[in-house]
Amino acid sequence: GAVVSQHPSWVICKSGTSVKIECRSLDFQATTMFWYRQFPKQSLMLMATSNEGSKATYEQGVEKDKFLINHASLTLSTLTVTSAHPEDSSFYICSALSTDTQYFGPGTRLTVL
Amino acid sequence: QKEVEQNSGPLSVPEGAIASLNCTYSDRGSQSFFWYRQYSGKSPELIMFIYSNGDKEDGRFTAQLNKASQYVSLLIRDSQPSDSATYLCAVMGAGSARQLTFGSGTQLTVLP
Repeated sequence: GAVVSQHPSWVICKSGTSVKIECRSLDFQATTMFWYRQFPKQSLMLMATSNEGSKATYEQGVEKDKFLINHASLTLSTLTVTSAHPEDSSFYICSALSTDTQYFGPGTRLTVL
Repeated sequence: QKEVEQNSGPLSVPEGAIASLNCTYSDRGSQSFFWYRQYSGKSPELIMFIYSNGDKEDGRFTAQLNKASQYVSLLIRDSQPSDSATYLCAVMGAGSARQLTFGSGTQLTVLP
């Protein structure tokens, strides 16, 4: 149980375009999901907390207009990177909360050319 | 500021030995404690969680919690080369946000 999926697993896009990443809880409902970013050889960095039916809470330094989060259902949260630039290239990982435990998706590797 | 400290390693142990991973945390109000394993290029995978003082065993893994000392550890018995990964200690506070504070991770290498 407690399986979380992400789609796509990797994406390459041109600078200036937008990319949407989906995070789904497959066998449980998740009122709360989290979005992280991880650069090579670094630890996870929490970007935002996503709550179903309400606005996401962004961590300090994360631009909410650039990283749009939508949590429209109990099993789906999306992260849209708008006007992506090469510095946005990173490993984006979501997690979903089940019984006070975070279960992570497999991650999405974004490369912006 | 809530902090979680881990020895970054690298920690090397021979196959079949016991690997001991340690973690300390600063927030005395922390309620839940987690160990995740992260292979290179992959996302974290939950190994164990522990809420109460003492030991919790699951197969070859034992988590130990001492809230008075603000200390969490993970023991891996009969270590295998497939256990080679970065081990992340994570702490959840008492607040409603249910966010995790992660340590920087300990890189473990099990030598065949």
